[in-house]
Amino acid sequence: DAGVIQSPRHEVTEMGQEVTLRCKPISGHNSLFWYRQTMMRGLELLIYFNNNVPIDDSGMPEDRFSAKMPNASFSTLKIQPSEPRDSAVYFCASSFGGPETQYFGPGTRLLVL
Amino acid sequence: TQLLEQSPQFLSIQEGENLTVYCNSSSVFSSLQWYRQEPGEGPVLLVTVVTGGEVKKLKRLTFQFGDARKDSSLHITAAQPGDTGLYLCAGGPNNLFFGTGTRLTVIP
Repeated sequence: DAGVIQSPRHEVTEMGQEVTLRCKPISGHNSLFWYRQTMMRGLELLIYFNNNVPIDDSGMPEDRFSAKMPNASFSTLKIQPSEPRDSAVYFCASSFGGPETQYFGPGTRLLVL
Repeated sequence: TQLLEQSPQFLSIQEGENLTVYCNSSSVFSSLQWYRQEPGEGPVLLVTVVTGGEVKKLKRLTFQFGDARKDSSLHITAAQPGDTGLYLCAGGPNNLFFGTGTRLTVIP
């Protein structure tokens, strides 16, 4: 079975550009999570969807970040405009029901120059 | 302030040795999860503990949840190079907080 799919796996962009990260959760899962991981801050939750509805977006850094889940099989995380401090690995995870058993994707490594 | 503090932050041991890593908080958790993350990959769930005092075993890994449900430990017996990775605990309100992590290196 396919796990959580993320694209792209690597992204290098220049400051000020728009970045869109994509996630396909595991089929049948109804919860989706976006995380950011850095050496300094570790793994931080950005936003949590349940049944395509945002439940907790308190971790979204600022207005430059936005996330959508138009259907049960697709989500995007957009950064506009991007800044060098956004450089990190962004993970998407999905689960059935609550967040107790999350399956993570391979991550997108973002570098903003 | 981190909700979940893990110790030690780094650990380097020889193959065959035993080790214990810890996850501590001032808050009570309804459940706590342990994940392992290998370089270039996402975290993979190892176990969920729910009941205070609970002990779960997964081959050479033993997980314990504190009686007060504020802390947990992971003990690895006879560590192998394949155990190398970043060990993360997770819990807290809605189980959405991750600990600071313990980076384990097992030297052949």
